[in-house]
Amino acid sequence: KQEVTQIPAALSVPEGENLVLNCSFTDSAIYNLQWFRQDPGKGLTSLLLIQSSQREQTSGRLNASLDKSSGRSTLYIAASQPGDSATYLCAVNDYKLSFGAGTTVTVRA
Amino acid sequence: GAVVSQHPSWVICKSGTSVKIECRSLDFQATTMFWYRQFPKQSLMLMATSNEGSKATYEQGVEKDKFLINHASLTLSTLTVTSAHPEDSSFYICSAREPGGPYNEQFFGPGTRLTVL
Repeated sequence: KQEVTQIPAALSVPEGENLVLNCSFTDSAIYNLQWFRQDPGKGLTSLLLIQSSQREQTSGRLNASLDKSSGRSTLYIAASQPGDSATYLCAVNDYKLSFGAGTTVTVRA
Repeated sequence: GAVVSQHPSWVICKSGTSVKIECRSLDFQATTMFWYRQFPKQSLMLMATSNEGSKATYEQGVEKDKFLINHASLTLSTLTVTSAHPEDSSFYICSAREPGGPYNEQFFGPGTRLTVL
């Protein structure tokens, strides 16, 4: 059974700092990995999807890397802003999506 | 990206009643749809996978008689919570996957918040 772990569980940084969010998974036989953002009481917003053959994906200030062999992915958010405050979830697709518990980010103005 | 809608966005019902939640893929045909449940401050847990025209596959521990799933068309799946009780109160989210294979992206609906009194 796929186990997905996200560290840290919570993170508080001053505005402008770079954010580094980690995701690890136990079974490397995956199709892809996806990062989501969730605001309180809201649904999921897809941020980035990395196919298993890719090493990284970038969108604006976001960059996600994938090391399938070691079962790790990292989401980098450059120059954080208060609007980046949310919970970030990673999900691993090995036919079904398995979600981590999330990292709750607070960016202080 | 593709758009998935859910209706209603929130619902309050009395204990013992049944509630139906709809999930629609608006601009693509989804042969496979998924239903997730999220408790407060917890992550999403997959409840079931539904394929158009066939019975849903439920995850271990999910009562199929309580959570009825129907995927009658390529754009619509429904989740019916039967004889709802307060412990069924939760945030329910559906997703839809484009045809082609399990490597395709799942697109998520905005969720439905169910409160059972």
